[in-house]
Amino acid sequence: EPEVTQTPSHQVTQMGQEVILRCVPISNHLYFYWYRQILGQKVEFLVSFYNNEISEKSEIFDDQFSVERPDGSNFTLKIRSTKLEDSAMYFCASRDSAQGPQHFGDGTRLSIL
Amino acid sequence: SQKIEQNSEALNIQEGKTATLTCNYTNYSPAYLQWYRQDPGRGPVFLLLIRENEKEKRKERLKVTFDTTLKQSLFHITASQPADSATYLCALGDTGRRALTFGSGTRLQVQP
Repeated sequence: EPEVTQTPSHQVTQMGQEVILRCVPISNHLYFYWYRQILGQKVEFLVSFYNNEISEKSEIFDDQFSVERPDGSNFTLKIRSTKLEDSAMYFCASRDSAQGPQHFGDGTRLSIL
Repeated sequence: SQKIEQNSEALNIQEGKTATLTCNYTNYSPAYLQWYRQDPGRGPVFLLLIRENEKEKRKERLKVTFDTTLKQSLFHITASQPADSATYLCALGDTGRRALTFGSGTRLQVQP
């Protein structure tokens, strides 16, 4: 069964450094998302992406964050200058229609030191 | 503000029994509701989707109900097995907002 893949599985970075989290969504999907989950807390929406542009973003997704779909397969989340509070699991998700189920990857654990 | 409530206490049941998990919401009119399973350190795995005009959905041992009057969804696992032990998340979506809003999840422990 097709799946969403994310790399790396774990990223350790010094505060203030830039990180890029990578995702390969399911190939025929059109809608792409990033969520995060701080340890012990809810899954929280960050940003959605459709037709090569951001369609929605949450308050969490400030100027430090950006997303890109550089080619036909990858979908990336960049954090420009990481803060301690950015430490979390970051999940990528994709879906084939506006109200179809979202399918998630296994996430990247981001640890900011 | 929108609020989604799932029982934060763990649910412990015996193998073979039916597990029933609850998702209540307020200040929200979702177009659909999804249930996910999440194991420690893993991403949410999609289980079932039910739309606002549907009362019930089934898939193998799983059943979901959706009552838009009560603003509640119930998720049932029949003939539960120890392998069903996980955290179960409910997530709501509407037509205007494509992203999902998640509840905090309920941890299910099935004892052999």
